[in-house]
Amino acid sequence: GAGVSQSPSNKVTEKGKDVELRCDPISGHTALYWYRQSLGQGLEFLIYFQGNSAPDKSGLPSDRFSAERTGGSVSTLTIQRTQQEDSAVYLCASSSTWNTQYFGPGTRLTVL
Amino acid sequence: TQLLEQSPQFLSIQEGENLTVYCNSSSVFSSLQWYRQEPGEGPVLLVTVVTGGEVKKLKRLTFQFGDARKDSSLHITAAQPGDTGLYLCAGGGSGTYKYIFGTGTRLKVLA
Repeated sequence: GAGVSQSPSNKVTEKGKDVELRCDPISGHTALYWYRQSLGQGLEFLIYFQGNSAPDKSGLPSDRFSAERTGGSVSTLTIQRTQQEDSAVYLCASSSTWNTQYFGPGTRLTVL
Repeated sequence: TQLLEQSPQFLSIQEGENLTVYCNSSSVFSSLQWYRQEPGEGPVLLVTVVTGGEVKKLKRLTFQFGDARKDSSLHITAAQPGDTGLYLCAGGGSGTYKYIFGTGTRLKVLA
């Protein structure tokens, strides 16, 4: 079966522009996560969805970051007025149980 | 704030050598996971440990959860070039789907 997919795989944008990153989780997975990874470092938690609700948004770095999930499936992470420090790999993961997350390949965002 | 520190940060060894990677925290976790990540890909789960003192083996990899559930180790026996990658630990709290990831250990095994 299909794994978690993310699009685009690479995104280059200019400072100040808005970007949308998409995540297609594994079908039937109720939980969905967004993480940020800077230059091969550990993962920084951004937000977690259970169904369409986001009970934990504590990791979003600023109000320029937002995320939504529709139909208990696809999720979009939006970054407004991008800054150079937003450059990173953005990873999405989905899960059907508490102890197993399946990660997508990530979107590499470069803000010039 | 829960933090997970991994050591060493970088490790370069020759094929056939043994190595141990550590994951430490001052916080107690209900479970601890280890992942391996290769360039351009997302992390892949290797193991989950849930009981203090628990030891799990996966071929040449041995994982241990500390008795107090604050730390963990990953030991690789006779490392191979295919073991090269970024190793990440992640701690989970009770009754939550949220995992806190460690700082990562980048391993390179030379042939």
